[in-house]
Amino acid sequence: AQKITQTQPGMFVQEKEAVTLDCTYDTSDPSYGLFWYKQPSSGEMIFLIYQGSYDQQNATEGRYSLNFQKARKSANLVISASQLGDSAMYFCAMRDQTGNQFYFGTGTSLTVIP
Amino acid sequence: EAQVTQNPRYLITVTGKKLTVTCSQNMNHEYMSWYRQDPGLGLRQIYYSMNVEATDKGDVPEGYKVSRKEKRNFPLILESPSPNQTSLYFCASSWARHNTDTQYFGPGTRLTVL
Repeated sequence: AQKITQTQPGMFVQEKEAVTLDCTYDTSDPSYGLFWYKQPSSGEMIFLIYQGSYDQQNATEGRYSLNFQKARKSANLVISASQLGDSAMYFCAMRDQTGNQFYFGTGTSLTVIP
Repeated sequence: EAQVTQNPRYLITVTGKKLTVTCSQNMNHEYMSWYRQDPGLGLRQIYYSMNVEATDKGDVPEGYKVSRKEKRNFPLILESPSPNQTSLYFCASSWARHNTDTQYFGPGTRLTVL
């Protein structure tokens, strides 16, 4: 069963606008970690932001914030003030309770339009 | 510089010819993992290692072997590669296997099996 679902294969956003990338997850573990990674066209995987299942507040890192809705099992990434350099593939991931297994979504390709 | 390195970065081989992709990290991380990335499928975990001499299967282990004889190294072995193993491979490591720990990724190895 798919653990992470990203329903937006591709997204477009105007430069300087905000954009939300959707992610839902499926687990019965009480403890887990949620991560977002960015993969530019050069191919490397860049860590953006982390949210723990017990965290009460939404995580923020600069222009990135994570809209965590535990009851809905969603962990959407919000990028504020989009820049051309934000054009990339974005992956949502979950680390399970044991910490051993990582599950990734299929990714969302974001294009920032000047 | 703290990093995860992989070699080779690009490899073209033929069916059945054994190959090894090396992975090394200089951060004294306990946990290491291998993933393959295929279009439309995101990243899928092949094998992971919790520590030296401790490895286990991920979601797609068939056709792969790993070993962890030293903390810093985690090679991926394809004993008899087949065309369906053509993919982009990533090695990653994290400090430990807590679900709060983020992973740091190597640059990727693009493998083509003819």
